[in-house]
Amino acid sequence: AQSVTQPDIHITVSEGASLELRCNYSYGATPYLFWYVQSPGQGLQLLLKYFSGDTLVQGIKGFEAEFKRSQSSFNLRKPSVHWSDAAEYFCAGGQYNFNKFYFGSGTKLNVKP
Amino acid sequence: DAGITQSPRHKVTETGTPVTLRCHQTENHRYMYWYRQDPGHGLRLIHYSYGVKDTDKGEVSDGYSVSRSKTEDFLLTLESATSSQTSVYFCAISGTGDEQFFGPGTRLTVL
Repeated sequence: AQSVTQPDIHITVSEGASLELRCNYSYGATPYLFWYVQSPGQGLQLLLKYFSGDTLVQGIKGFEAEFKRSQSSFNLRKPSVHWSDAAEYFCAGGQYNFNKFYFGSGTKLNVKP
Repeated sequence: DAGITQSPRHKVTETGTPVTLRCHQTENHRYMYWYRQDPGHGLRLIHYSYGVKDTDKGEVSDGYSVSRSKTEDFLLTLESATSSQTSVYFCAISGTGDEQFFGPGTRLTVL
């Protein structure tokens, strides 16, 4: 079955520290993968996406993610976290023309001053 | 931001009553989706549409129906609301069937 897993429910990092949020997927073919961010009481905003090609993708707000087929992972990274990055982050995946996304359960990021 | 609105934004209703949520887009996108968001579950797809009058079920479709009579509107109906349908509902749209843009959400409470 197709699925996306985010192993970490909560993560706390200090402001200025680096960040890595984990995402694993299970798809037969090359998936389309996405990271979204949701601030409290808000909708979801797309951070970045991977369809094919270069496995390191750059997104908005200084985020990047790397697709690793051998590990079935698509981890989100940021070199230096800002207090405004505190939010919930969702990884999502799908396959082209299947019109169905599967979301991970989310990782809540807390940023310490 | 993609032109997506959801109405109402908040609703409180009683068990057994019918409820209809509306998603309206101004982007002329082909694909529209309804998700529900619950703690610990992320977002789960309820129904989606790939054109006017063309809809299909998602992974949590029981108790929900949808209709799309115009490109711009996608309605989600709870025929007889239950407490288990208390949730935040998000509409999303896509022009190509891959990248999705999300609306602001509707918070539904069923008492």
